[in-house]
Amino acid sequence: AQSVTQPDIHITVSEGASLELRCNYSYGATPYLFWYVQSPGQGLQLLLKYFSGDTLVQGIKGFEAEFKRSQSSFNLRKPSVHWSDAAEYFCAVGAKGSGTYKYIFGTGTRLKVLA
Amino acid sequence: ETGVTQSPTHLIKTRGQQVTLRCSSQSGHNTVSWYQQALGQGPQFIFQYYREEENGRGNFPPRFSGLQFPNYSSELNVNALELDDSALYLCASRPQTGDTYEQYFGPGTRLTVT
Repeated sequence: AQSVTQPDIHITVSEGASLELRCNYSYGATPYLFWYVQSPGQGLQLLLKYFSGDTLVQGIKGFEAEFKRSQSSFNLRKPSVHWSDAAEYFCAVGAKGSGTYKYIFGTGTRLKVLA
Repeated sequence: ETGVTQSPTHLIKTRGQQVTLRCSSQSGHNTVSWYQQALGQGPQFIFQYYREEENGRGNFPPRFSGLQFPNYSSELNVNALELDDSALYLCASRPQTGDTYEQYFGPGTRLTVT
């Protein structure tokens, strides 16, 4: 079955510290992978995406993610967290079948940043 | 180029009522999908519309229905509202060309059922 797992429901880091948010997926074919950020009461903002090629992808706001096929992972990283990064982060895989294309999302990781 | 827009931003309905949510897709996008995001959860796929026809549905009952219009805008209709329908409803559109499968999301409509 196609699925996305984000093992960490909540993560707390100090401002300036490094960050890694985990994402594991289950998908039979080559995955299209995405990371989105959602601030309270807001919609989804795309941080970065992976379709093919270089397995290390750069996104907005200083985020990057690395696709590791052998581990079925697509972890999100940032070297130095800013207080404004506090939000909820969602990993998603694009799943195609029978003419339908949809995203399967993880349950999200809520990031808290300590001053 | 305008992005995906949704209306209304918020609304409150009573259990048993019906609601219609609206979405205007981004210019050049002919495929629209709807997602439901319950509090504390990731978005869940409701259905997809392509060329004015539903061509894919997630695990949602028939009281969730939709329409897509010739200008590619879309509506989500929910009948016989239940308390558990309270959620953020997100609309996403895809471009006609390209093979990247990237969807573009609107800001969402927050529905509260009391």
